[in-house]
Amino acid sequence: NAGVTQTPKFQVLKTGQSMTLQCAQDMNHEYMSWYRQDPGMGLRLIHYSVGAGITDQGEVPNGYNVSRSTTEDFPLRLLSAAPSQTSVYFCASSYGPGHAEQYFGPGTRLTVT
Amino acid sequence: AQTVTQSQPEMSVQEAETVTLSCTYDTSESDYYLFWYKQPPSRQMILVIRQEAYKQQNATENRFSVNFQKAAKSFSLKISDSQLGDAAMYFCAYRSAEGTSGSRLTFGEGTQLTVNP
Repeated sequence: NAGVTQTPKFQVLKTGQSMTLQCAQDMNHEYMSWYRQDPGMGLRLIHYSVGAGITDQGEVPNGYNVSRSTTEDFPLRLLSAAPSQTSVYFCASSYGPGHAEQYFGPGTRLTVT
Repeated sequence: AQTVTQSQPEMSVQEAETVTLSCTYDTSESDYYLFWYKQPPSRQMILVIRQEAYKQQNATENRFSVNFQKAAKSFSLKISDSQLGDAAMYFCAYRSAEGTSGSRLTFGEGTQLTVNP
């Protein structure tokens, strides 16, 4: 049971490049979420999903796309990277309604130059 | 929308002493969860303790306990017998108990805790 996995751990992009951050969980969790962490601001929700085929925007969705074709995977896409997207990105998952705890992946540190 | 505020960007404590980290939140909901997460230099987010709003009893986990004041919307974390391994960034977080809101956490800004030997 690997829990929540994220790849890559580190990434450097040039402005305008695109990439996908991968997130997978093997706990059969319904809910999955993406957060970004910036100094002094805690973690902020980018997008979330409450099941396969269902996604919605969080607090800071601009510049990011998501899809959820399977229960296990929830990739985050940056279509045209900007320096403002330099951050640490966390994926999290949890069971459905009535279950409180979210399980976090190890994070991806992204730098956009 | 809910907000979470941690007014102490940095705190320090002597090893073996007790420290309290503060957190306040704002919500119009009556049913929710509150959490404290620890983030050591490894960056991993580790759940320390959680509190269900409908429970009057304060949660405890070994050396960690909370003071949950629902009317005051306050949720502080007390660390007793502080150890060097407690040094980390601590985040307070809120999660609604309503509908699909369980997929969303709202975090405070964090408190960096230093433990001095």
